[in-house]
Amino acid sequence: GQQLNQSPQSMFIQEGEDVSMNCTSSSIFNTWLWYKQDPGEGPVLLIALYKAGELTSNGRLTAQFGITRKDSFLNISASIPSDVGIYFCAGQLGGNKLVFGAGTILRVKS
Amino acid sequence: NAGVTQTPKFRVLKTGQSMTLLCAQDMNHEYMYWYRQDPGMGLRLIHYSVGEGTTAKGEVPDGYNVSRLKKQNFLLGLESAAPSQTSVYFCASSYSGGAAYEQYFGPGTRLTVT
Repeated sequence: GQQLNQSPQSMFIQEGEDVSMNCTSSSIFNTWLWYKQDPGEGPVLLIALYKAGELTSNGRLTAQFGITRKDSFLNISASIPSDVGIYFCAGQLGGNKLVFGAGTILRVKS
Repeated sequence: NAGVTQTPKFRVLKTGQSMTLLCAQDMNHEYMYWYRQDPGMGLRLIHYSVGEGTTAKGEVPDGYNVSRLKKQNFLLGLESAAPSQTSVYFCASSYSGGAAYEQYFGPGTRLTVT
């Protein structure tokens, strides 16, 4: 099936630092989404991107839809302890189905 | 609004036993989905439904069956559980049309098959 390569697999950063993670694919996607999963919970949608080149912010989070439509990145500015969790990228190929990356585990040192 | 709810939250089965996981949503969403989440593998789609009375296979459908008799409910069944089905199962729902990809997830069911 389709695969999304998400990196890094995990990161351990100091509170206050900025964070970057990205997702790449060999396939072109129509939409990119970023989800966050807190421990013991289901994923929650953070940002949805609909057009190539689009840059969208949600508070301290900024995400971009790559111009080739094969990648996306997520930045978190000034990280805080509640940013810990697993961040997933997801791509929409067509219709209503999503393909998910394996996730980036974020740990923040306070 | 409760959003998407799942029951049960935890379950332990013996190999060969059967069970049904229930998902309910109160957002009047047309589409519903079942995923499984395994360590290091993200979320993989098992089955999905685009409306009441319809179901379709996802990426990993083998060993599972689903039913969507009411718009707000989506059931996932395991007829004969296997240890390979030990996983965390998530249900999700979404609107149809342009926002169908913005999926809303339930809290998950952690299933262990011994």
